[in-house]
Amino acid sequence: DAGVTQSPTHLIKTRGQQVTLRCSPKSGHDTVSWYQQALGQGPQFIFQYYEEEERQRGNFPDRFSGHQFPNYSSELNVNALLLGDSALYLCASSSQGGRRGDTQYFGPGTRLTVL
Amino acid sequence: AQKVTQAQTEISVVEKEDVTLDCVYETRDTTYYLFWYKQPPSGELVFLIRRNSFDEQNEISGRYSWNFQKSTSSFNFTITASQVVDSAVYFCALKGGSYIPTFGRGTSLIVHP
Repeated sequence: DAGVTQSPTHLIKTRGQQVTLRCSPKSGHDTVSWYQQALGQGPQFIFQYYEEEERQRGNFPDRFSGHQFPNYSSELNVNALLLGDSALYLCASSSQGGRRGDTQYFGPGTRLTVL
Repeated sequence: AQKVTQAQTEISVVEKEDVTLDCVYETRDTTYYLFWYKQPPSGELVFLIRRNSFDEQNEISGRYSWNFQKSTSSFNFTITASQVVDSAVYFCALKGGSYIPTFGRGTSLIVHP
């Protein structure tokens, strides 16, 4: 049973560029959430996708956008990269459409470095 | 607004010692869920436990145990007879009515052989 997978593992970009990160949820899961984790901090919720729509959004600017595909996989796009976007980006999947009690299972993350 | 406080930034113990990681939360919701996750150096958050606000029973799973006390808004995590493999960052998280989870800043546990 495959867990949550993310690609790429590491990424280096320069300021102003755009980046796309990818996530495949755990088998049987239909909900994908994205988090940003800065060094030494806890994960910060970016947004959640269910049924190909953004269901919840955290306090992140519109430069952060996403998409969910019919097979439940998801992409996170960040435009006009800033140095402060350097972080570990985590994807989490769950099976209850984002209900309060859902347990999220996390992928290994993508380490983004912005120079 | 939700808030999770993990006051212990880093804890260092010697193998076989017992260690307790503290988690204090704030929420106005009457129904909420609390979680603990482990993040080893590889980066992936590993789910450990989920507890809802109506279930105050303590839970034990092997060397791990959790003490949930609504009266003090705490959900503490104890590792008995710690091992080097327990070295990681541990996060406490809260999800209430907003459905958006709030994580604490984490406690880094270092277990020395």
